[in-house]
Amino acid sequence: KAGVTQTPRYLIKTRGQQVTLSCSPISGHRSVSWYQQTPGQGLQFLFEYFSETQRNKGNFPGRFSGRQFSNSRSEMNVSTLELGDSALYLCASSLFGQGTNSPLHFGNGTRLTVT
Amino acid sequence: QKEVEQNSGPLSVPEGAIASLNCTYSDRGSQSFFWYRQYSGKSPELIMFIYSNGDKEDGRFTAQLNKASQYVSLLIRDSQPSDSATYLCAVKRSAGGTSYGKLTFGQGTILTVHP
Repeated sequence: KAGVTQTPRYLIKTRGQQVTLSCSPISGHRSVSWYQQTPGQGLQFLFEYFSETQRNKGNFPGRFSGRQFSNSRSEMNVSTLELGDSALYLCASSLFGQGTNSPLHFGNGTRLTVT
Repeated sequence: QKEVEQNSGPLSVPEGAIASLNCTYSDRGSQSFFWYRQYSGKSPELIMFIYSNGDKEDGRFTAQLNKASQYVSLLIRDSQPSDSATYLCAVKRSAGGTSYGKLTFGQGTILTVHP
């Protein structure tokens, strides 16, 4: 079974631009969560989507948004990029929502660099 | 106080020894506990999960949970150089509350197993 697939693997953007990251979950998984990983802050929860609905959201500004499609694929968008948004963005899928004990399975991430 | 705290490390053990990784959490409502391994430049990989007090063994890995002390640990027996990685403790709350379902990670402990 294929794992979680994230595209693109690397992105370089300029301050003020916007970016869209894509995630395809493991087949059959209905929940997709997004995390930001930086050396200083570690893994920080962004949001979770289940059945096309945002179920939970972390403490990030409104510039960070996401959505989930009917096939469970998810996209994350960051608008008006700032230097501090440079990070590894990880998508994780689980069979059921994060409100259950279903473990998360992570994709390889998208490395975003903002210059 | 951080929600999930891990011994900062780095932790260095000789090959064949037992590596002990510790994690404490602040939310008494936490119900599910996970250990992830992350190799440099890679995404987190699930090693074990534990839901009940006591020990859970899987091969060379043993997870230990003590909810009264809000403490979870991971023991790696017969440590190998290939175990060298960052180990992330993650905690999930039960239903209810603003942190419903969100998987919260510790900062991670870097483990080095030297030959």
